[in-house]
Amino acid sequence: GQQVMQIPQYQHVQEGEDFTTYCNSSTTLSNIQWYKQRPGGHPVFLIQLVKSGEVKKQKRLTFQFGEAKKNSSLHITATQTTDVGTYFCAGRSGETSGSRLTFGEGTQLTVNP
Amino acid sequence: NAGVTQTPKFRVLKTGQSMTLLCAQDMNHEYMYWYRQDPGMGLRLIHYSVGEGTTAKGEVPDGYNVSRLKKQNFLLGLESAAPSQTSVYFCASSYFGQRNYEQYFGPGTRLTVT
Repeated sequence: GQQVMQIPQYQHVQEGEDFTTYCNSSTTLSNIQWYKQRPGGHPVFLIQLVKSGEVKKQKRLTFQFGEAKKNSSLHITATQTTDVGTYFCAGRSGETSGSRLTFGEGTQLTVNP
Repeated sequence: NAGVTQTPKFRVLKTGQSMTLLCAQDMNHEYMYWYRQDPGMGLRLIHYSVGEGTTAKGEVPDGYNVSRLKKQNFLLGLESAAPSQTSVYFCASSYFGQRNYEQYFGPGTRLTVT
């Protein structure tokens, strides 16, 4: 079945440093979503990428979808303590009503003030 | 508008006991999902439903059953709990459309099986 791998598993940064998490799929994806989960909380949707090579920005967050639609990345510029949490990518490999999201293992980000 | 709610928030079971987790959504979403989250393993899909009266198996369905008798509710049952089912369980729902598959998650249920 479809596998989605995410690296690194953990990342510790000083406030103000940049952060990147990478997501790789074993199959070509129709779209990819990113979620953030604060400690003790539930996953919250951040963004969806659909097109090959797509780049989207949300303030200090930049999301990219690879040309082959098998990988994606999330980059945070100048991290802040509010960025603490676990970031998950989730890929979908089909367009039919039965297609499901497969989540990566997540990258847990801690930010030292 | 409460979004997705889950009942209970916490539960401790003894091995062999049974229980039902309730998920409710008030967004009129067609799709509903049950995930479990274990440390270092992300979110794994247990069962899901694409509409009232329908259910389907996900990635890790063994030991669980589900029912979707009403569109707004999705129940997850454990017939005979095992320590391996100790986990945090999240319910989610989504609208089905060509462009938007965003999933909305509930607050989670922390289950411990001793």
